[in-house]
Amino acid sequence: GAVVSQHPSWVICKSGTSVKIECRSLDFQATTMFWYRQFPKQSLMLMATSNEGSKATYEQGVEKDKFLINHASLTLSTLTVTSAHPEDSSFYICSARGEQGANNSPLHFGNGTRLTVT
Amino acid sequence: GDSVTQMEGPVTLSEEAFLTINCTYTATGYPSLFWYVQYPGEGLQLLLKATKADDKGSNKGFEATYRKETTSFHLEKGSVQVSDSAVYFCALSFYGQNFVFGPGTRLSVLP
Repeated sequence: GAVVSQHPSWVICKSGTSVKIECRSLDFQATTMFWYRQFPKQSLMLMATSNEGSKATYEQGVEKDKFLINHASLTLSTLTVTSAHPEDSSFYICSARGEQGANNSPLHFGNGTRLTVT
Repeated sequence: GDSVTQMEGPVTLSEEAFLTINCTYTATGYPSLFWYVQYPGEGLQLLLKATKADDKGSNKGFEATYRKETTSFHLEKGSVQVSDSAVYFCALSFYGQNFVFGPGTRLSVLP
């Protein structure tokens, strides 16, 4: 159980275009999803917390107008990288909590999206 | 703020060797502790967890014990395999919120 599906797994786009990444919880409802960015051989950097039905909460230094997050349903959150530039090339990973509010509830991760901007 | 520290990698072992990856944390209170594993090109997978002091999490031959007195959660495996080669992340969380990840430790197991 608690499967998170992320799509696409990799994408190559031209500089200036926008890319949308989807994150779905397949067998559970997720009122909160998290978007991370990971640079090569580094840990995860939390970009934003996506809340169903409300605005996302962005971490300091993350441009909300560049990384648009929409959490329109209890099973789907999307991250859109707008006007992408080569420095946006990275590995983006989404995650969702299983049991809401439970102290021991782990995060369940998607398989990530490798974005390459040329 | 809360933080997680892991031993620096990469760690290179021969198959069937004993593995220890150290993890210590700093937090106010008693968080839940987790180990995640990331295989090349993939997202993170939960490996094991512990929610209170002296709890032992275990999965796939890996074990870690929540040590309150030393604020540690070291990952161990008695006999590693080539397929265990991956990056391992230690993490903490309070009530499923605000996960804090360590920097990750890369493990390479040679045949």
